[in-house]
Amino acid sequence: GAGVSQTPSNKVTEKGKYVELRCDPISGHTALYWYRQSLGQGPEFLIYFQGTGAADDSGLPNDRFFAVRPEGSVSTLKIQRTERGDSAVYLCASSPGAGSKTQYFGPGTRLLVL
Amino acid sequence: GNSVTQMEGPVTLSEEAFLTINCTYTATGYPSLFWYVQYPGEGLQLLLKATKADDKGSNKGFEATYRKETTSFHLEKGSVQVSDSAVYFCALSDSSGTASKLTFGTGTRLQVTL
Repeated sequence: GAGVSQTPSNKVTEKGKYVELRCDPISGHTALYWYRQSLGQGPEFLIYFQGTGAADDSGLPNDRFFAVRPEGSVSTLKIQRTERGDSAVYLCASSPGAGSKTQYFGPGTRLLVL
Repeated sequence: GNSVTQMEGPVTLSEEAFLTINCTYTATGYPSLFWYVQYPGEGLQLLLKATKADDKGSNKGFEATYRKETTSFHLEKGSVQVSDSAVYFCALSDSSGTASKLTFGTGTRLQVTL
């Protein structure tokens, strides 16, 4: 079956611009996670959704970052006033439900802020 | 807080050599433990997992045993192949609450040569 998909695969933007990154989870998966992976590092947790609500947003670095999942399926990560330090690969993962420990990752969106 | 420490890479081995990648963790309670693999140009894939002490996860000839007494989850393979060249990430999933956000190590790059 279809895995987690993310669009765009690459995004180049200028400092100060607004960007949106999209994630389509595996069908039927109720839990969705966003992570950020900087070069040479492991992924770092940003936010977790269970259904439509953000159950844990403790990893968002500041208020320029925001994510939504209005219908409990597709999610969008939004970054306002981008900074060069936001450049990274943004990963989305989904899992079948609350308490499920296995997450399935998408290919990521590589964001470059010039 | 939770943390994962992996041996630094790169690890360079000849084909058919024995592989060990060390991973130790710090966590409260009883986390689940994972190894993820990232092949060149691809997304993170779950390699194996273990959910309780003394469990052994295995897949594609790789094994790892959940050792609570040493807080370790070392990855092993008896005979590596060139196709195993990738970056390997050790991760843990918090056991508290319903959120299962993953905490990753920094990754270990494995290069296997003929």
